[in-house]
Amino acid sequence: KAGVTQTPRYLIKTRGQQVTLSCSPISGHRSVSWYQQTPGQGLQFLFEYFSETQRNKGNFPGRFSGRQFSNSRSEMNVSTLELGDSALYLCASSFSLPAGTEKLFFGSGTQLSVL
Amino acid sequence: KQEVTQIPAALSVPEGENLVLNCSFTDSAIYNLQWFRQDPGKGLTSLLLIQSSQREQTSGRLNASLDKSSGRSTLYIAASQPGDSATYLCAPRYSSASKIIFGSGTRLSIRP
Repeated sequence: KAGVTQTPRYLIKTRGQQVTLSCSPISGHRSVSWYQQTPGQGLQFLFEYFSETQRNKGNFPGRFSGRQFSNSRSEMNVSTLELGDSALYLCASSFSLPAGTEKLFFGSGTQLSVL
Repeated sequence: KQEVTQIPAALSVPEGENLVLNCSFTDSAIYNLQWFRQDPGKGLTSLLLIQSSQREQTSGRLNASLDKSSGRSTLYIAASQPGDSATYLCAPRYSSASKIIFGSGTRLSIRP
């Protein structure tokens, strides 16, 4: 069974640009969540989707948005990039939500550098 | 505010030792708690998940315990190996529909 796939693996952008990251969950998983990881702030929750509906949202500005498609694939978008958006963005999937007993499975992440 | 603290922040031990990683959380009303492992520049791998009704979970050389009343979880690693070197994070979830909150992690180094 293929794992969680995130594309691209690396991305370099300049301030003011926008970026779209993609996440394909494990087949059959309907819940997808996104996280930002930086050396200073650690792992922070961005948002969580289940069956195309956003179920939870973290404390990030409106420049960060996401969506989930009918095939459970998810994208997140960051508009008007700032230097502080440089981070490893991780996506995770699980079988269902409420998660109950299900573990989270993470992708390898997208390393975003904003210059 | 729900916070998760992991102590120590870093740990270096010789191969073969048994060790304990600690995690404390401010709100004892958790739904479940996961322990993850992260290798540098990579995603996270779920090691163990403990439901609120459970006291511990075991997988191979790993054992995780949960004490909700004291707001603590521990990850016990037996007979450590260099391949265990990684950052270990604990992450409680407070309800079936709530987000997971991550601790800052313990960076573990096992010396050959």
